[in-house]
Amino acid sequence: GAVVSQHPSWVICKSGTSVKIECRSLDFQATTMFWYRQFPKQSLMLMATSNEGSKATYEQGVEKDKFLINHASLTLSTLTVTSAHPEDSSFYICSARGQGHEKLFFGSGTQLSVL
Amino acid sequence: GENVEQHPSTLSVQEGDSAVIKCTYSDSASNYFPWYKQELGKRPQLIIDIRSNVGEKKDQRIAVTLNKTAKHFSLHITETQPEDSAVYFCAASRPELSFGAGTTVTVRA
Repeated sequence: GAVVSQHPSWVICKSGTSVKIECRSLDFQATTMFWYRQFPKQSLMLMATSNEGSKATYEQGVEKDKFLINHASLTLSTLTVTSAHPEDSSFYICSARGQGHEKLFFGSGTQLSVL
Repeated sequence: GENVEQHPSTLSVQEGDSAVIKCTYSDSASNYFPWYKQELGKRPQLIIDIRSNVGEKKDQRIAVTLNKTAKHFSLHITETQPEDSAVYFCAASRPELSFGAGTTVTVRA
């Protein structure tokens, strides 16, 4: 299957700082990438959908000014959590899909802890 | 939007027995139904998927059935093994994926 790399795998930061998470498709061109948030023992909640070269589409209730998404190339999308607060602590995971393909491949996830 | 419901939330089975997880979806436009297995702290892994023009698909011990009329689809795991213990998620695609709440499967040795 296709490989999606996500970094960092975990990060601890102070409240008020910003954190950037990278998601890369290593062996295919990801025309669409998705960002999810997952709390312990819960399902994956879609935060936003990004298409290469265009603005991300955010799900209802997700602050676009707080969760900045950039998908500047066919192999890289980034999620920046700005002015992070303890309630932003969560497992963030990306997924990617190639054009014309249905299968979705997931990154390894990033555990964010905001102190 | 799409609403995917998944049952049960937890499932404990004896090794060798079968496990069945059921999902329903609301949007008749959904046409792709993948199932993912997620171990603690790891990424979801696609284990099997089915498209709306197919009623059943099997891959070794795993099978998925789809009833498009009733908007139901199910995952069947036969001859369960301890390594099948994980959280399983169903999803429906429009093409954006909407996930079920997950089923924690525990296989007792």
